[in-house]
Amino acid sequence: GEDVEQSLFLSVREGDSSVINCTYTDSSSTYLYWYKQEPGAGLQLLTYIFSNMDMKQDQRLTVLLNKKDKHLSLRIADTQTGDSAIYFCAENRGMNTGFQKLVFGTGTRLLVSP
Amino acid sequence: NAGVTQTPKFRILKIGQSMTLQCAQDMNHNYMYWYRQDPGMGLKLIYYSVGAGITDKGEVPNGYNVSRSTTEDFPLRLELAAPSQTSVYFCASTGTGGNEQFFGPGTRLTVL
Repeated sequence: GEDVEQSLFLSVREGDSSVINCTYTDSSSTYLYWYKQEPGAGLQLLTYIFSNMDMKQDQRLTVLLNKKDKHLSLRIADTQTGDSAIYFCAENRGMNTGFQKLVFGTGTRLLVSP
Repeated sequence: NAGVTQTPKFRILKIGQSMTLQCAQDMNHNYMYWYRQDPGMGLKLIYYSVGAGITDKGEVPNGYNVSRSTTEDFPLRLELAAPSQTSVYFCASTGTGGNEQFFGPGTRLTVL
């Protein structure tokens, strides 16, 4: 199909790890992204991974990419209440760097309880 | 740098009214985008621009128009507002060779 799919909701306790999953559709996508949206705000880029990589780690964030299954995941270690937000994955269907033809998932709402 | 700015933050329109949503960026980015975000959904691309004087349709362009007379500004025009255009509108920009879209804070529009 055409859609980038994510589960709608995830609830974890503070200090646990969170894993947010995403299934994308275009195997030729060059970059895949994770964005965070806090209430009433725009989207903020968290991290991205190039399609020829399997894994990328950035402090508490780990991105895993399974290109065969078109599956992307974002792991947040030691989740904090400040991590509560909506997380969007996006694939870049554009061909060039700079101009991005991003297709977004529906977002996963992460709720972190104390 | 102020980044990407949008005005207004909120607006209520009556059916059939017109308005322009303003977007500006001060990062000298070539690429600019307009998205809409409906409740519980991801962002859908309305229009984009690859440089001053050049615009093109995205996934959901019907009912909207854009212009790009300068590198900095990318206004979005609604000519005859309809309830289906009730949404949150985000403007974004990217620099040449960049990998990050920088988003504005959004405009929440309600059409009654």
